Amino acid sequence: GEDVEQSLFLSVREGDSSVINCTYTDSSSTYLYWYKQEPGAGLQLLTYIFSNMDMKQDQRLTVLLNKKDKHLSLRIADTQTGDSAIYFCAESLRDSSYKLIFGSGTRLLVRP
Amino acid sequence: SAVISQKPSRDICQRGTSLTIQCQVDSQVTMMFWYRQQPGQSLTLIATANQGSEATYESGFVIDKFPISRPNLTFSTLTVSNMSPEDSSIYLCSVDGGGGRNYGYTFGSGTRLTVV
Repeated sequence: GEDVEQSLFLSVREGDSSVINCTYTDSSSTYLYWYKQEPGAGLQLLTYIFSNMDMKQDQRLTVLLNKKDKHLSLRIADTQTGDSAIYFCAESLRDSSYKLIFGSGTRLLVRP
Repeated sequence: SAVISQKPSRDICQRGTSLTIQCQVDSQVTMMFWYRQQPGQSLTLIATANQGSEATYESGFVIDKFPISRPNLTFSTLTVSNMSPEDSSIYLCSVDGGGGRNYGYTFGSGTRLTVV
């Protein structure tokens, strides 16, 4: 079955690194995505990783994928107060539907 | 990547009425998706809308409740029919970023619906 899980809440101090974790169950995932949702806003695509990659880095963002454990993480370096938001991981399955399965979202709070 | 304009951004509606949400894309896209985000929850796919064919609905969603139109490659509407307070949610449309899964999916800013 399709299931994506995330921890609900993370609080960090400004300037520290944040690590948001995600686990998924479907081994047929092709792409995995990280989205950011700020209060009252839609979803902003932050980054994505193809399932045959282990790591992807994009400026302050580092995505790590452990396909064996079906574990995905997003590391935000030098976290800023503007990073406070809800972060969703999502997977795209190896089928023709092109739909995304979303995790429950992790609320990141950055303390000054 | 595609830019999506979604309207209205929010609305407060009486139970029993219907609301039509519009999604306009600045480029032609094959697939458009409609998601629902209930308060404090994640996103759930309602249906996939392809131009020239009937929308494909996910389990738990039916056409009578959520009729969808897709008249061309840049536009789609979702109607929430015969609304009840349980329909209070954020509704979002989404399109592929121009390269399918390779570039991610772009979302509209959402329609925040409150049914009273």
